[in-house]
Amino acid sequence: EPEVTQTPSHQVTQMGQEVILRCVPISNHLYFYWYRQILGQKVEFLVSFYNNEISEKSEIFDDQFSVERPDGSNFTLKIRSTKLEDSAMYFCAILGLAGGVETQYFGPGTRLLVL
Amino acid sequence: AQSVTQLGSHVSVSEGALVLLRCNYSSSVPPYLFWYVQYPNQGLQLLLKYTSAATLVKGINGFEAEFKKSETSFHLTKPSAHMSDAAEYFCAVSYNQGGKLIFGQGTELSVKP
Repeated sequence: EPEVTQTPSHQVTQMGQEVILRCVPISNHLYFYWYRQILGQKVEFLVSFYNNEISEKSEIFDDQFSVERPDGSNFTLKIRSTKLEDSAMYFCAILGLAGGVETQYFGPGTRLLVL
Repeated sequence: AQSVTQLGSHVSVSEGALVLLRCNYSSSVPPYLFWYVQYPNQGLQLLLKYTSAATLVKGINGFEAEFKKSETSFHLTKPSAHMSDAAEYFCAVSYNQGGKLIFGQGTELSVKP
């Protein structure tokens, strides 16, 4: 099973500040995803990223969000001006092959708290 | 809009009892179906997936799920619950390989001694 790490595990920030969440796959992958889970709610898709381009994004993924792969390894999610409602657990996922089927494998998440 | 419904936000069973977690999806086209488990303070771990190869899918930790097209369901079962099964379980669908996952709202499983 492919391994994914995320940093930081927890982040507390003030409203209006920028945050960068990082995802580091252990091996080479081309397809990445970000999801978020607001406390008590379902996991929601934010964006998928393939071959250094956004392939799909949700309505949640507005102009305050951006993704990039700055060094060919890390995959980052940037929130430019955080809002209270951005407080959530953010999960990175990568696409791996399991039993001949492409499957998403998730990192442990970053818990973001906006005050 | 495509959606996934998990009946019961909380299910409680006794140790050794049958576990049944329900999942229904809304689609005329059979999707790819997944069950993920989330233990406290951890990420999402893949339990099993349906890919049209077989309607009964076996996963890790003794779990299995059966795809029923006529009922648009993919319920998760385990014959005998163990204390370590206590976690949150998420059903998810995707309509193409590598496409976004659409999650249900999750079911929290409690196991009583």
